[in-house]
Amino acid sequence: DSGVTQTPKHLITATGQRVTLRCSPRSGDLSVYWYQQSLDQGLQFLIQYYNGEERAKGNILERFSAQQFPDLHSELNLSSLELGDSALYFCASSGGSSGSLETQYFGPGTRLLVL
Amino acid sequence: AQSVTQLGSHVSVSEGALVLLRCNYSSSVPPYLFWYVQYPNQGLQLLLKYTTGATLVKGINGFEAEFKKSETSFHLTKPSAHMSDAAEYFCAAVRNRDDKIIFGKGTRLHILP
Repeated sequence: DSGVTQTPKHLITATGQRVTLRCSPRSGDLSVYWYQQSLDQGLQFLIQYYNGEERAKGNILERFSAQQFPDLHSELNLSSLELGDSALYFCASSGGSSGSLETQYFGPGTRLLVL
Repeated sequence: AQSVTQLGSHVSVSEGALVLLRCNYSSSVPPYLFWYVQYPNQGLQLLLKYTTGATLVKGINGFEAEFKKSETSFHLTKPSAHMSDAAEYFCAAVRNRDDKIIFGKGTRLHILP
């Protein structure tokens, strides 16, 4: 158990809908990262937050957005969903401010299926 | 643009045999390198990482990797495979603390009894 929790575990929705994925980092960790894992694209970094502020941005679509709240949990919002958004979405957390050099602790993921 | 290439999407080894998973990176600046493991239905877990210093890095579960700048490689090895090593392994690289991390496509390791 990494200490990172993600809800829900599974999500089934329809095209055009909007969903919110939630992540709670390990106790004391200030950074949260979001990743998308799909068969065709592999594991892709989406976005990182550090202590409530956006720190780094990867291949995140404009239809996707994220935020980190004062209690450090984070939410990833996916809107206007398309079939191709079906994937496993991981959240990870790390402790300090050394960014991408730090060890990241991954949650179990949220499996999204868009029908 | 930086990229990470893992040779072989599937690798099979017999229990007790040497495990070798290959990773090459493409970068004009030697990056920081990581190996992560993903067990079925779980998130990724860090095996080891190279940032600076000794080029031979030892990780958890008996794995180690060697950073070879001349070969732009960071191959993962384990002397003797165990059934519990069956998982997917990801190599990753990042140029600096402010850069985004790039993952390879992954190599699924199968252990044959």
